[in-house]
Amino acid sequence: DIQMTQSPSSLSASVGDRVTITCRASQGIRNDLGWYQQKPGKAPKRLIYAASNLQSGVPSRFSGSGSGTEFTLTISSLQPEDFATYYCLQHNGYPHTFGQGTKLDIK
Amino acid sequence: EVQLVESGGGLVQPGGSLRLSCAASGFTFSSYWMSWVRQAPGKGLEWVANIKQDGSEKYYLDSVKGRFTISRDNAKNSLYLQMNGLRAEDTAVYYCASRDGSYGYWGQGTLVIVSS
Repeated sequence: DIQMTQSPSSLSASVGDRVTITCRASQGIRNDLGWYQQKPGKAPKRLIYAASNLQSGVPSRFSGSGSGTEFTLTISSLQPEDFATYYCLQHNGYPHTFGQGTKLDIK
Repeated sequence: EVQLVESGGGLVQPGGSLRLSCAASGFTFSSYWMSWVRQAPGKGLEWVANIKQDGSEKYYLDSVKGRFTISRDNAKNSLYLQMNGLRAEDTAVYYCASRDGSYGYWGQGTLVIVSS
């Protein structure tokens, strides 16, 4: 199985900060990676697909990069609505696996 | 507008069965792989199963293999998850999702509680 190691597991930041979340795959997954935002009691929402492509309707302050085994999600300037939990997902091989999640809260 | 609406969750005793349904609208259901993903209370996301557009390929998480069956009815734009031999560790919100590479659209989820 491909393990996805996501870091940090939690992060405190302020409105306007730049934050970066990282996912490391246990083996190469090309760019078969998505990033998701989840708010309490809600379904996940895709932000990024194919590692670096912005989902339609998602603000441009979100960006993704990486290929192979190292991936990052960057939020360039945090907004109040961005405080949530973020997950990466690899879909290169079965079982598809998610990172453990990063809970982003207000400092 | 794309909509995925799950139903069929509830409280079931260990060893029991449930059948989840997901009604799809707003997109060409028969053109997409479909998936079930679950989330135990207070935990992260866990992929459960995938099914190809025509139902000819199915993949399962090891811990549900032999107990859960994913199926679809393209004429009814519906996805299903038959869950047998339920265990306490299957307690979770179950989401259906459409797959275009990763999972683009998600339903709101249906809660399954396995408890005596």
